[in-house]
Amino acid sequence: EAGVTQFPSHSVIEKGQTVTLRCDPISGHDNLYWYRRVMGKEIKFLLHFVKESKQDESGMPNNRFLAERTGGTYSTLKVQPAELEDSGVYFCASSQRQGAALDGHNEQFFGPGTRLTVL
Amino acid sequence: AQKVTQAQTEISVVEKEDVTLDCVYETRDTTYYLFWYKQPPSGELVFLIRRNSFDEQNEISGRYSWNFQKSTSSFNFTITASQVVDSAVYFCALTQGGGNKLTFGTGTQLKVEL
Repeated sequence: EAGVTQFPSHSVIEKGQTVTLRCDPISGHDNLYWYRRVMGKEIKFLLHFVKESKQDESGMPNNRFLAERTGGTYSTLKVQPAELEDSGVYFCASSQRQGAALDGHNEQFFGPGTRLTVL
Repeated sequence: AQKVTQAQTEISVVEKEDVTLDCVYETRDTTYYLFWYKQPPSGELVFLIRRNSFDEQNEISGRYSWNFQKSTSSFNFTITASQVVDSAVYFCALTQGGGNKLTFGTGTQLKVEL
């Protein structure tokens, strides 16, 4: 079974440019998450999709970040315009849908991340 | 608010030594879940374990063991007889009862040398 994949693995752009990151979750996983790790700091939650709907976007830094998950499959995270402080590693994760009778905190499977460098 | 603290930034050990990675958490919820993830050099985060707040039983899986103590809000991870392949960054994380987002610690870089 294929794991979570992310593209590109590495992106170097200049301040003010636009970058789009893509995440393909494990097939059949309704939950999709984006996280970000800025150098030397903790991994921070950005947002959570359930299928195509945004369940929680409380971690999105500002309106320069736009996440979409059309059709409830893959997701994109666009940064426009990019700033220096946006540099870091962006992780995507997916998990199975939680049924009402199940433990609601299934493990999240992570992708290898996209390393974004803004110059 | 919830928080996870991994005070050890980097640990170096010699192969076959035992090593314990510390994790201290803060949460106001009575229902929560604790996780450990491993990040090898390839970059992806690999799930190791999940515990809920009502289960304080310690767990052993091969050379790995976890000590969950609610009294001290700690969820420590021990690797017995460490191997070079254990070299990685290890993250402790927490979710609250009502949500799914993971709150991570800053990670501990473990280096196991020959």
